[in-house]
Amino acid sequence: KAGVTQTPRYLIKTRGQQVTLSCSPISGHRSVSWYQQTPGQGLQFLFEYFSETQRNKGNFPGRFSGRQFSNSRSEMNVSTLELGDSALYLCASSLPGVGAKNIQYFGAGTRLSVL
Amino acid sequence: AQTVTQSQPEMSVQEAETVTLSCTYDTSESDYYLFWYKQPPSRQMILVIRQEAYKQQNATENRFSVNFQKAAKSFSLKISDSQLGDAAMYFCAHTPYNFNKFYFGSGTKLNVKP
Repeated sequence: KAGVTQTPRYLIKTRGQQVTLSCSPISGHRSVSWYQQTPGQGLQFLFEYFSETQRNKGNFPGRFSGRQFSNSRSEMNVSTLELGDSALYLCASSLPGVGAKNIQYFGAGTRLSVL
Repeated sequence: AQTVTQSQPEMSVQEAETVTLSCTYDTSESDYYLFWYKQPPSRQMILVIRQEAYKQQNATENRFSVNFQKAAKSFSLKISDSQLGDAAMYFCAHTPYNFNKFYFGSGTKLNVKP
């Protein structure tokens, strides 16, 4: 079974631009979560999508948004990029429901650098 | 507040020896899961071990075991017979039982000396 796939692996943008990151979950997984990882703030939860709906949300400004498609693939968009948005963005997928016991499987991340 | 604290930014262990990584957490939830994830230089987070808070028995996975103290909100990871491949960042995390919203600690960098 293929793991969680994130594209691209690396991205360089300039301030003010926008960026879209993609995440393909493990086959059969319907929940996709996004995290921002920085040396200063560690791993912070951005949001979770399930069945094309945002189910949980972290404390990030509205410039950070996401969506999920009917095939469970998810995209994350950051508009009006700031230098502080430079980070590793991780995506994780899991089976839904209590029975799945909330194990999240992570992708290798997208390293975003904002110049 | 949902917080996770890892007080050891970096630790070292000799190959074949045992090391314990500390983690404390705070949550208002009565049911939750606790996890240890490993992040090697390849960046991909790998699940090491999982503990359900309603289970008193400590989880074990081969050389990895936890010491779960629910009242103290403590969840330490013990790695026995350390191997060079265990060198990585280790993150402690918890999530409420019915939510996929993980709270991570700041991580402990583990060095394994040959």
